[in-house]
This record gives sequence, C-alpha cells and structure tokens, in this order.
Amino acid sequence: QVQLQESGPGLVKPSQTLSLTCTVSGGSISSGSYYWSWIRQPAGKGLEWIGRIYTSGSTNYNPSLKSRVTISVDTSKNQFSLKLSSVTAADTAVYYCARVRSIAVAQPFDYWGQGTLVTVSS
Amino acid sequence: SYVLTQPPSVSVAPGQTARITCGGNNIGSKSVHWYQQKPGQAPVLVVYDDSDRPSGIPERFSGSNSGNTATLTISRVEAGDEADYYCQVWDSSSDSVVFGGGTKLTVL
Repeated sequence: QVQLQESGPGLVKPSQTLSLTCTVSGGSISSGSYYWSWIRQPAGKGLEWIGRIYTSGSTNYNPSLKSRVTISVDTSKNQFSLKLSSVTAADTAVYYCARVRSIAVAQPFDYWGQGTLVTVSS
Repeated sequence: SYVLTQPPSVSVAPGQTARITCGGNNIGSKSVHWYQQKPGQAPVLVVYDDSDRPSGIPERFSGSNSGNTATLTISRVEAGDEADYYCQVWDSSSDSVVFGGGTKLTVL
C-alpha cells in the first residue's frame, strides 16, 4: 500500500520560501509509472493544484503560481519536494502531496498524504 | 483558463438520491474525477474517468458526463456521506489540473 507523508516547517515568515518534502513509502518513486503532485487548501476553501513532477524531472505548474513554484524529485530518498518563494498570508494552507494514478493524460489522484498546515506569519 | 462550477451546497434526506453537478465548457469532452473530503481528512477519490469507481467505493456512487455538465450521483444517501465533494479535470490548453470549487453535501 502506497503511503505519502508531508514534512516541513509549519510556520514561514512573509517574503521567505516555503519548503516541503513528501516521502513516499510502499512503492518506488522512480518506477516511472506516475506523476507526483502538490495540492493546497486554505482553511474553509477549496482545493488548488500547485504542480506535478515526473521521475525524469519534467514538471507542470499552475499558471497562477508558476513564477514562484519549484518542484523537484530525489529518487535516492524516494521523495519529492516543493518550494514556494515570496510567500504571503494568502499562501497559508494545508499542503497535500498526492500521486497521479498513471502517466497517461488526465489521470486522477489516487493516493494522498494526510496534509500539513503551513502558516505564513511574522 | 478552464473553470469548473459546482453548487456550494446540496441537501438530501437519508435514503434519497443526491446529485452534485460540475459545469464547464464542453466538459463532456474531458475525463472528470470526483473526490470526497470529510473534515480534517485528505480527499478520497470516489469516481474517476466520469463514471468508474475505485475499489472499495460503494456502488451507490456513480457519475455521468455530457455536454457542459458532469454529475456525481449518490444513491441511498447515508449520514456518513456528509462531506465536501470536488470535481477535477485536466486542462490540456494550459497543461494543468483544475478543481471545481466544491460542494458541501448535507444529510438532513
């Protein structure tokens, strides 16, 4: 059974960079069969896709966040990571990592992490 | 960018049928996925590719998609179905995932 677990600071100061890591267990991230994604959800609001990465390092980002987002993968640690720069209070949210079911077009997210709350505040 | 529109809320009595819609321009040409999210929990996939169910999801959950509207149907609604539901598609014009705004299902 695949499991994903987010980790990283729960508090980030405004203008700084938010950094999170997702550790995958129960399967190899380098199998080449999946995309790996980040999604966030502000309190009381809906889901917002941040971006995704393939094992090769190929990425796609939400156009509204693209200028501030970097997603990377470390196959040796079975992890992928998120960096979001120049954060403001609007970036306060629960951040989820998730697996895309396959590399075919338009696939759903079949496994999710439990989510981690990141608060942007001085 | 592509927009998905869901009603903010739907209410239904136990045992009845709930229908949650997801509107989008020619959404019938896309694959629609649906997620259930209960308070404090991560979303769970309940329907994918318009109408398929992952293993472990009750047959009471079904989906359809045509024209400008996709619909998640929950038959014989139970108290445990009370949750937020989100539709999701892939927007090939921007190579990005799009979520609907979510619908809160209340079981009366």
